Amino acid sequence: QKEVEQNSGPLSVPEGAIASLNCTYSDRGSQSFFWYRQYSGKSPELIMSIYSNGDKEDGRFTAQLNKASQYVSLLIRDSQPSDSATYLCAVNDSGYSTLTFGKGTMLLVSP
Amino acid sequence: EAQVTQNPRYLITVTGKKLTVTCSQNMNHEYMSWYRQDPGLGLRQIYYSMNVEVTDKGDVPEGYKVSRKEKRNFPLILESPSPNQTSLYFCASSLGTSGGWTQYFGPGTRLLVL
Repeated sequence: QKEVEQNSGPLSVPEGAIASLNCTYSDRGSQSFFWYRQYSGKSPELIMSIYSNGDKEDGRFTAQLNKASQYVSLLIRDSQPSDSATYLCAVNDSGYSTLTFGKGTMLLVSP
Repeated sequence: EAQVTQNPRYLITVTGKKLTVTCSQNMNHEYMSWYRQDPGLGLRQIYYSMNVEVTDKGDVPEGYKVSRKEKRNFPLILESPSPNQTSLYFCASSLGTSGGWTQYFGPGTRLLVL
């Protein structure tokens, strides 16, 4: 059974701080990695995708991938109250047919 | 506007009454999928489809059926709903083998089975 693990949180950070979200996965053959943001009762919204080891930056967001350690992270710089949401880590299997989600980390950014 | 649509958005039904939740995408995506989301369990895949007439089970297929007769549509069928199928359902799609695996989600359907 493929597993994607995240701390459930909540992770509380003050406005302007860096929020660090972590994810580990069990399928060593996984090829694609995604971070989604989900507000309560809404659908998941793609934040970042990453496919190769290293860092990928997009605005205030940086995704980091380490396939040897089976570890993916998301850094949010200059956190804003509007970033308060649940962040879902998702991993494609080696055949790309299934996307396995972690249970999500709730982020709370206080003004 | 590129989007995934689902209908209905909210549904209350009774045990055993067959229902269909529709999903449609206008992005010419090959891959479509259904998920359910439950508190404490996260998002779990029910069924997916790699292309027209090609469907396969996800992690929690029991009690559900799907079909993919057209590329744009992927309905989820509950032949005999039970209270344990009360959940928030999401449809998603991606380009697939033709161009990428990033999945885009519909707005969700909240189902209550009494």
